[in-house]
Order: sequence, then structure tokens, then C-alpha cells
Amino acid sequence: DVKVTQSSRYLVKRTGEKVFLECVQDMDHENMFWYRQDPGLGLRLIYFSYDVKMKEKGDIPEGYSVSREKKERFSLILESASTNQTSMYLCASSRFAGTVTYEQYFGPGTRLTVT
Amino acid sequence: AQSVTQLDSHVSVSEGTPVLLRCNYSSSYSPSLFWYVQHPNKGLQLLLKYTSAATLVKGINGFEAEFKKSETSFHLTKPSAHMSDAAEYFCVVSGTVNDYKLSFGAGTTVTVRA
Repeated sequence: DVKVTQSSRYLVKRTGEKVFLECVQDMDHENMFWYRQDPGLGLRLIYFSYDVKMKEKGDIPEGYSVSREKKERFSLILESASTNQTSMYLCASSRFAGTVTYEQYFGPGTRLTVT
Repeated sequence: AQSVTQLDSHVSVSEGTPVLLRCNYSSSYSPSLFWYVQHPNKGLQLLLKYTSAATLVKGINGFEAEFKKSETSFHLTKPSAHMSDAAEYFCVVSGTVNDYKLSFGAGTTVTVRA
């Protein structure tokens, strides 16, 4: 079974702190994704990566950056955390194969609170 | 661009009765469609997927969905609800060719009454 793990389940940070959220997948997937989930808004894509060192902005990239130095690991960085970044953050991974869109596998999520 | 609308934000059913979660999509391409379930404080789990094979798709835990191109719908059903089905459900549509991004509906919360 595909396993996607996230470094923390719950995280509390102060405004202005630099925050790192780590995600690791064990199925050699090419694609990795970071979403945030807020009540009534569903999931919104922050960034995704289709290869090592490659990244593309999603729908809401402002205030975030990402890093993918190894295929299995994708990090989300909040350079200076703000209270409006309090949310549930979900990491996902998927295969890539040309014209086929494969399902994404999700980690358990990190609930981040910025005070 | 593709989009998906879940027609009910909340559905309440009695245990043992059928469940229907409605989803309409819009896509200029023949999309892949998915249903995911999320239990409280958990990640999303894939229930089923449609990828242009059979229009009636069977998933895990007794769920199934029917793809209707003429109605641009992909409704999720289960004949008999169980207490463990209480969760949030997301209908998801893929992008265009070579686009591996997914678009998520806002979610439907299912409550199951004993």
C-alpha cells in the first residue's frame, strides 16, 4: 500500500515564525502536492511538484514556498507565518503516466495553528 | 478549466437506509472522476474512480457511482448506510490531457442516525 507520512499531526506556531511541513511518500511517485483544507472551501492546491527540483504554483501559492530535493520528500515552507495560514495542510502523491490522471494518495494531515 | 459542484453540503440518513451524494462536473475533456472520504482528523481515502471504462463504478465499503455524460453527473450511492459511513465526502475531477492536477468539490458531510 502507498504510504504518505507527514512530520507532525498538530503544530502551534507564533506569527512571524518560519514553519516547515515535511511530507514523505514510499511508492516512488513522480508527483507530489500540498493542499490546504478549510471548512466550506474543500481542498485548495498550494504547490505541486512533478519531479525533483521541479515545482509549479497551484491556486493559492502566496505566502508559501516548497522544496523537493529528493523524489520521496516534499516540503512546504511558510516563510513568515500569519494567522490566516491557520489551517489543515494535506500532502498527496501520485503516479505520472502521460495522458492518464492517476488518483492521489493523501497523508493524515497537519493541523497548523498560528497565534 | 474543469470544476465540480457537490449539490448538498450536508446529508442526514438513518442507519440501514440508502445514501445518495450528488455531484455535477464541468470539463472540456473526458475527465477522470473520483470520490474520496475523510473521517474526522484523518487524511482523504479513495472510495472509487472512473477513468472511461464502465460507467458504473464500484468502490470500497459498498459504495458505487454512475458516470452520466449527458447529465455531467457522477453521483455516489450506497444501498444501506452504516454508522461508520459518517464522514465528509469529496467529488473530484481531473484536468485536461497531461494535467495531473485535480479539482475538489466543497464536500458533503454525512450524518448517520441510529
